Amino acid sequence: QQPVQSPQAVILREGEDAVINCSSSKALYSVHWYRQKHGEAPVFLMILLKGGEQKGHDKISASFNEKKQQSSLYLTASQLSYSGTYFCGTDSLSGGYNKLIFGAGTRLAVHP
Amino acid sequence: KAGVTQTPRYLIKTRGQQVTLSCSPISGHRSVSWYQQTPGQGLQFLFEYFSETQRNKGNFPGRFSGRQFSNSRSEMNVSTLELGDSALYLCASSLGGWDEQFFGPGTRLTVL
Repeated sequence: QQPVQSPQAVILREGEDAVINCSSSKALYSVHWYRQKHGEAPVFLMILLKGGEQKGHDKISASFNEKKQQSSLYLTASQLSYSGTYFCGTDSLSGGYNKLIFGAGTRLAVHP
Repeated sequence: KAGVTQTPRYLIKTRGQQVTLSCSPISGHRSVSWYQQTPGQGLQFLFEYFSETQRNKGNFPGRFSGRQFSNSRSEMNVSTLELGDSALYLCASSLGGWDEQFFGPGTRLTVL
């Protein structure tokens, strides 16, 4: 049930790009992306809804392929502040409940 | 606007005891969700409350319970604590549904 994130870890130099992928075996209503820095609470990045609507920060972009139940987060021209662990959360129906299930996370380290 | 607050921030208990954690959401937010975060399991969804009703729940045993009050403040209770319950417990509030969630700083529970 837990979505699968790839890669597990990424190391970048400032200015480089990265893509983080999230895939699920279940039909999804939406995909959520959060970033958590060490010792801090997760912070919202983006929601991608079935049907194409997106809510999120202007500097972050992502895609949601409903048919393949996959989402990708695109980090371009990375900055030091992008470092942290990125979690995707998938919203799907299970056992009569709508659950937001998070993946194991992708650790991103950006170096000067 | 004040953020999500959680009390206490740190807690040490022994096996078999019970514990109550508190979460005060952002003013105007009616949905409160609880998550357990551990290094091995990542972010795991416990339950979600909306307007004093448990609307969604994850796959945790009945020892984990919660409630929400009319002012949207929420409490989570864990009875008969086990060593494996040691974790960071995060609550998140949102306007409703699986909208943008704002996480609190968490309560670090250690069970000895």
